[in-house]
Amino acid sequence: RKEVEQDPGPFNVPEGATVAFNCTYSNSASQSFFWYRQDCRKEPKLLMSVYSSGNEDGRFTAQLNRASQYISLLIRDSKLSDSATYLCVVNMNNDMRFGAGTRLTVKP
Amino acid sequence: NAGVTQTPKFQVLKTGQSMTLQCAQDMNHEYMSWYRQDPGMGLRLIHYSVGAGITDQGEVPNGYNVSRSTTEDFPLRLLSAAPSQTSVYFCASSYGQGGREQYFGPGTRLTVT
Repeated sequence: RKEVEQDPGPFNVPEGATVAFNCTYSNSASQSFFWYRQDCRKEPKLLMSVYSSGNEDGRFTAQLNRASQYISLLIRDSKLSDSATYLCVVNMNNDMRFGAGTRLTVKP
Repeated sequence: NAGVTQTPKFQVLKTGQSMTLQCAQDMNHEYMSWYRQDPGMGLRLIHYSVGAGITDQGEVPNGYNVSRSTTEDFPLRLLSAAPSQTSVYFCASSYGQGGREQYFGPGTRLTVT
């Protein structure tokens, strides 16, 4: 079993749609959690950190459920520019584990 | 402020050759790391460092060496290249001892024939 697993995707949605990505992790001692965005043939960039209380940044909402070892990312009112691969990242003692990513394509 | 820089951008090696991938950051970050990214596998941590003179192994360290003689530089050495090391390599850095937002370099695309 992979340490970090994500929805396989791809997700193809129309502009304005709401889309949700899920991620599960296997190590209950994991300490910090992130969502990164990666555009084609580019480096990953931080989208948002994920806190136990949940957090929101504009159209993006991240949730963490430690009991179920589950992280989610919700994107509302999708834009064409949201098309990218979204990476779930889990950290334990400086060992950062990345999910394989979920590809999102937003279509006009 | 250049952030994280990597050289070269592209490299082709023959099996058995050695080489060093360069990584430098100008943000005075303590933590630096190397990843490889393969299709369908996500990024996998090779080695990391929490400060000058300190390095540790990640998930896939075999076949790679690192050193951290300065805060700014964190080179990755391939000792004897193998086709299985064909990948895209990313260097990253962050504040503190790790577990925080990482800033990535643009990557090095390595092909081993």
